Amino acid sequence: AQSVTQLDSQVPVFEEAPVELRCNYSSSVSVYLFWYVQYPNQGLQLLLKYLSGSTLVKGINGFEAEFNKSQTSFHLRKPSVHISDTAEYFCAVSDATSYGKLTFGQGTILTVHP
Amino acid sequence: GAVVSQHPSWVICKSGTSVKIECRSLDFQATTMFWYRQFPKQSLMLMATSNEGSKATYEQGVEKDKFLINHASLTLSTLTVTSAHPEDSSFYICSARDFQVALDTQYFGPGTRLTVL
Repeated sequence: AQSVTQLDSQVPVFEEAPVELRCNYSSSVSVYLFWYVQYPNQGLQLLLKYLSGSTLVKGINGFEAEFNKSQTSFHLRKPSVHISDTAEYFCAVSDATSYGKLTFGQGTILTVHP
Repeated sequence: GAVVSQHPSWVICKSGTSVKIECRSLDFQATTMFWYRQFPKQSLMLMATSNEGSKATYEQGVEKDKFLINHASLTLSTLTVTSAHPEDSSFYICSARDFQVALDTQYFGPGTRLTVL
C-alpha cells in the first residue's frame, strides 16, 4: 500500500519570497510522483511529475521538485512566488502496478500575501 | 492540451432523489476514467475506476449500489448518486486517462459540487 504525507496543511508566504511545500511518501515499489494544484472550485491541474531519470523535475509556472529516494521525499519549490500562486497543492503517488490510481496527500494551502 | 469536462458543475437536490454527473473527454479517447470525491478541506479520495465497456471497480468502503458508474463510450463516463442523502454532499471530480499517452497521464475535470438538502 502507498501513502502520502504533506507535512504542512497551510503555508503563508509573502509575494516574491521562496517557498517549499513538503511531501513524503511510502511505498514498497518504485513510484511515480506528482504535484497538482487546485484553485477554488476547480479540478486539478498537473504541475509536474517524476517517473524516472533526473531527480530534479521542472514544471509549469516556475515550480520544480526534487525526488529524494533515501528520504522518500518529493518537495515542491518555487524561488519567487506570486499572488496568483495562492491555491491548494496536492502531492500524489502511483506506481506501475496501480494502473493509474493516484493516492493523494492531504493538501497544502499556499497563501501568498502582498 | 487534453480537456475533461463535467456536467453539471453544481447541483442541489432533495434527499432521496438521484443525481447523474457526466464526465467527458473532449479531445481524446479515455479507456479509463476515475471518480474521486473531496470533502471540504480534505484530500481527494478515489471512489472507483471506470473502464470502457466493463464494470467499474470500486474502492473499499464505497457502495457500488449507491454510486452507479457507467462508461459506455470512450469519451463518456457517468456517476449516478442514487437516493442521495445530505452526507453525500461533496465535490465529485473525475479524471480520464488517454490510452495513447503514457499510463501515468491523467487529466482532471473541473468537478461537480453536489448539495443534498
